[in-house]
Amino acid sequence: DAGVTQSPTHLIKTRGQQVTLRCSPKSGHDTVSWYQQALGQGPQFIFQYYEEEERQRGNFPDRFSGHQFPNYSSELNVNALLLGDSALYLCASSIRALGNTIYFGEGSWLTVV
Amino acid sequence: AQTVTQSQPEMSVQEAETVTLSCTYDTSESDYYLFWYKQPPSRQMILVIRQEAYKQQNATENRFSVNFQKAAKSFSLKISDSQLGDAAMYFCAYKRGNQGGKLIFGQGTELSVKP
Repeated sequence: DAGVTQSPTHLIKTRGQQVTLRCSPKSGHDTVSWYQQALGQGPQFIFQYYEEEERQRGNFPDRFSGHQFPNYSSELNVNALLLGDSALYLCASSIRALGNTIYFGEGSWLTVV
Repeated sequence: AQTVTQSQPEMSVQEAETVTLSCTYDTSESDYYLFWYKQPPSRQMILVIRQEAYKQQNATENRFSVNFQKAAKSFSLKISDSQLGDAAMYFCAYKRGNQGGKLIFGQGTELSVKP
């Protein structure tokens, strides 16, 4: 049983560019959340998707957008990249009806230069 | 707004000894979950243990146990018989008890284990 998988694992982008990160949830999970973790800090919630809709959003600008597909996989898009967007982006999956089990992927390291 | 505070940026323990990591949280909710996650250098967030707020009994998972003090809003993690592989960043996290919902993390405690 595959866990949460994310791609790519590492990438370098130039300021002003756009990036797309991908996540496949754990088998049987229907909810995907994205978190940003800057170096030396705890993860910060970006948004959550369920039934292909954004259900909850953290304090992130509109440059951050996402999508969930019918197979529950998800994408995180960031436009007009800033140096401050450099971080580890973590995807977490869960079963919406069960609030107490949340699994994370290995993350995507984004460096903006 | 809910907050999670970990007041120990770094902790150190001798191999085979016991260490306790502290966490406090603030919420006005009665239904919520608390978690401890381990993040090794690989950076993957690994669930260590979880506690449902409605359960009075403290959760235990092998060498890991929690001391959940609901009135004091305290949720500490005890690691017994510490092993070298326990060295990592540990994050305390809170989640409201509704369906879905986000995790709110503390700033983390970096645990080192001395051989």
